[in-house]
Amino acid sequence: EDQVTQSPEALRLQEGESSSLNCSYTVSGLRGLFWYRQDPGKGPEFLFTLYSAGEEKEKERLKATLTKKESFLHITAPKPEDSATYLCAVQADETSGSRLTFGEGTQLTVNP
Amino acid sequence: NAGVTQTPKFQVLKTGQSMTLQCAQDMNHEYMSWYRQDPGMGLRLIHYSVGAGITDQGEVPNGYNVSRSTTEDFPLRLLSAAPSQTSVYFCASSYRPRDYGQYFGPGTRLTVT
Repeated sequence: EDQVTQSPEALRLQEGESSSLNCSYTVSGLRGLFWYRQDPGKGPEFLFTLYSAGEEKEKERLKATLTKKESFLHITAPKPEDSATYLCAVQADETSGSRLTFGEGTQLTVNP
Repeated sequence: NAGVTQTPKFQVLKTGQSMTLQCAQDMNHEYMSWYRQDPGMGLRLIHYSVGAGITDQGEVPNGYNVSRSTTEDFPLRLLSAAPSQTSVYFCASSYRPRDYGQYFGPGTRLTVT
């Protein structure tokens, strides 16, 4: 059974204070690892897909990396508008359709 | 493009009532899916479709039906609502999930009393 564990559950940062969110996963064969951002009362917003260990992707202050067991979302010099819940999900090789297994998310708060 | 749209935004049902949550996308995506989001449990897949006329069950399908008669629409039917179905429901679509990720709708908040 595919499993995704995200840590920490909640993270408070000061504006400009860089940090990382962790996503540990167990999957029989990884087809893709996805990162999403979710604002309160809204649907998840797609950020990145990572396919293989060693891959990295960047978008503004966010950088996602992938190893064989976990992924990190690095946030550099965050701003208050980066406050949101960040979700990680995996898609297994044998999965048909677009089935994703999600973690419970990390709630990030960036204080000015 | 409107993207993925869902109606209604909010709904209150009594136990035993039935209803349909609507989902539509205008991006010509083949893949569509329904998730529910509950505190402490994350997003869980209910049903999904890989194209018009093709549907399959996800992780938590009991109490829900789906159909996919067109590429654009993927309605979710609650047959006989139960308090355990109180949740936020999200519809998602993608062209090729491995390449493009998934696009989520704004959600429907359902309360069953």
